[in-house]
Amino acid sequence: KAGVTQTPRYLIKTRGQQVTLSCSPISGHRSVSWYQQTPGQGLQFLFEYFSETQRNKGNFPGRFSGRQFSNSRSEMNVSTLELGDSALYLCASSVWTSGNEQFFGPGTRLTVL
Amino acid sequence: DQQVKQNSPSLSVQEGRISILNCDYTNSMFDYFLWYKKYPAEGPTFLISISSIKDKNEDGRFTVFLNKSAKHLSLHIVPSQPGDSAVYFCAASAGDNYGQNFVFGPGTRLSVLP
Repeated sequence: KAGVTQTPRYLIKTRGQQVTLSCSPISGHRSVSWYQQTPGQGLQFLFEYFSETQRNKGNFPGRFSGRQFSNSRSEMNVSTLELGDSALYLCASSVWTSGNEQFFGPGTRLTVL
Repeated sequence: DQQVKQNSPSLSVQEGRISILNCDYTNSMFDYFLWYKKYPAEGPTFLISISSIKDKNEDGRFTVFLNKSAKHLSLHIVPSQPGDSAVYFCAASAGDNYGQNFVFGPGTRLSVLP
C-alpha cells in the first residue's frame, strides 16, 4: 500500500506570495491533518479534514486554509507569506475513527525569502 | 502554553543500554498517547501508543508507561541501537469521534553511541 505523498517536496517563495501544498493520503484513509514543524516548536496542528469538511482547527491565522476533495486528497494554502512561515509542512492521514495513529508524509519544506 | 512537554531537547545513550524519553502533559482530557520517531528529511513514523485505560504497553524493544495521576508518560527503549538515533515526539489526543487533534511535544533528539 502506497504511503502518504506530498508535493512539492521543496518550495522557495518570497514574502507576500501565496503557496499551495498538496497531500495524497493512504488509500482508504479519510482523515487528513496538516502540521507545521519549526525548530524548537515541534509539530503544530493546523487543521484536520474528513469527508471534505474541516473538523478541527489549530491556532493559526486565517492566511492558512485548506480543503479536501472527494477522493480524500487535500490541499493547504498559505496566502500573503511571511518570513516566519518558513517551515516543514507535514500531512498525515488516518482511518476515520478518533484515536487511530496517523501516517505522515515526508513533508514539504517551504522557505520564504 | 504547551500542553505536551518534552523537557529534554536531547539525550545520549550508549548502545545496548536503556533509553528513557519523558513526556508530561497538562490537559487532563487527554486519553490517548502516541510516540513517533522522526529521521531527517522524513515524516514522523508511528512507534507505539497507549490508551488512558492502561498504564503500560509493550512492543518489542519499546515500552510506554503512563502515570495518569502525574500526567506523565515515558518511552523506554531496551536495548538501544544506533539506528534508534532520531527525534522522538510524544503526542496526545482528547479522543472523541468528531475529529482528531493530536497535540505534539517539541521532541527529544536521541543519540545512541556505538
